[in-house]
Amino acid sequence: AQSVTQPDIHITVSEGASLELRCNYSYGATPYLFWYVQSPGQGLQLLLKYFSGDTLVQGIKGFEAEFKRSQSSFNLRKPSVHWSDAAEYFCAVGYLTGGGNKLTFGTGTQLKVEL
Amino acid sequence: DAGITQSPRHKVTETGTPVTLRCHQTENHRYMYWYRQDPGHGLRLIHYSYGVKDTDKGEVSDGYSVSRSKTEDFLLTLESATSSQTSVYFCAISTGTGQETQYFGPGTRLLVL
Repeated sequence: AQSVTQPDIHITVSEGASLELRCNYSYGATPYLFWYVQSPGQGLQLLLKYFSGDTLVQGIKGFEAEFKRSQSSFNLRKPSVHWSDAAEYFCAVGYLTGGGNKLTFGTGTQLKVEL
Repeated sequence: DAGITQSPRHKVTETGTPVTLRCHQTENHRYMYWYRQDPGHGLRLIHYSYGVKDTDKGEVSDGYSVSRSKTEDFLLTLESATSSQTSVYFCAISTGTGQETQYFGPGTRLLVL
């Protein structure tokens, strides 16, 4: 069965500092991978996704993620964090079944940005 | 943003009461999903639908039922609410065409007393 691990429950960074959020997945086939962001009281917004091809994917708000098959990882990065990036971030692995593209989510990483 | 609305947005109910949550989409997407979000668990799939009247169970389906009589509406029913069903419920939609993305609604916060 597929699974996603986000080892960092909370991360605090200073505004302007770089950011890396870790995500490791377990899945027997080639995964579809996603990062979503959730602001307090809001729904989930898609940041970026990987289906195939270039292993470095660009997303919205200046985020990028790199798929590393050998490490089963899909870490999210941003070179310079803004205070508005404070939110919870979820990594998810997608897999095709008869019921469409199902997602398994990690437990999330809460990002705090210090001014 | 994908055209997804959820109603109600907030609800307080008592144990043993039936509750129905509604998800409405304007995108004409084939697939619709219900998730629950709980601290320390991320989002977990409750039920999903791959067409009108076509539904299937997800990871945490016990105590929940769903119905989809129209493409645009997907209902989640708690037949007899329990305190363990206190959660935030999210609806999602996708096209069902292969390499697809799920888009999420704003959520419904449910408190069962």
